[in-house]
Amino acid sequence: GAGVSQSPRYKVAKRGQDVALRCDPISGHVSLFWYQQALGQGPEFLTYFQNEAQLDKSGLPSDRFFAERPEGSVSTLKIQRTQQEDSAVYLCASSNRDRDYNEQFFGPGTRLTVL
Amino acid sequence: AQTVTQSQPEMSVQEAETVTLSCTYDTSESDYYLFWYKQPPSRQMILVIRQEAYKQQNATENRFSVNFQKAAKSFSLKISDSQLGDAAMYFCASNAGNNRKLIWGLGTSLGVNP
Repeated sequence: GAGVSQSPRYKVAKRGQDVALRCDPISGHVSLFWYQQALGQGPEFLTYFQNEAQLDKSGLPSDRFFAERPEGSVSTLKIQRTQQEDSAVYLCASSNRDRDYNEQFFGPGTRLTVL
Repeated sequence: AQTVTQSQPEMSVQEAETVTLSCTYDTSESDYYLFWYKQPPSRQMILVIRQEAYKQQNATENRFSVNFQKAAKSFSLKISDSQLGDAAMYFCASNAGNNRKLIWGLGTSLGVNP
């Protein structure tokens, strides 16, 4: 595809529900990042993959958050037992390690609202 | 730990004028990059300009340029000939270390007045 895509664009969940957010990176991009952006704030790092390996998950706020990228392409961020403080925009970014690897290309984000 | 600070929550500029957005950072790394990203209301984060820390020359991209003061750990963005389409949130970010995760400031909301 032409860019990073994310789905769904909007998700409303009741407190306690599980949600899954999908990211399709740019084809061939090795690195994939997840960020959380609360309203009126800058993004905050959640986790990072290089191919299928999750090399850094230090930003995941609790064990309710889980991310995977089993085939080194599409990634899913799962949040279990959602809580109101999980309401935010979740941004996915990818970059090509072999070329200009410091530029991260972002998707449009998924806005999660937990009621 | 890395930190990025943007001390201007909001700025405004007249169309065709010049505006400078401020950013300071702190890092113990010697190899790092600095970025300015633009986030319009549509939410898509777009790279505006980047600066490699080892380069002394300030980066320039058309109407966008930076003033990189390494000793002062300052990285400001200058937008010349401002256009209505420049109105957006602007985020300063840095990365360093092996995985290149981005550390972000809180952003500056830029308004452009016709």
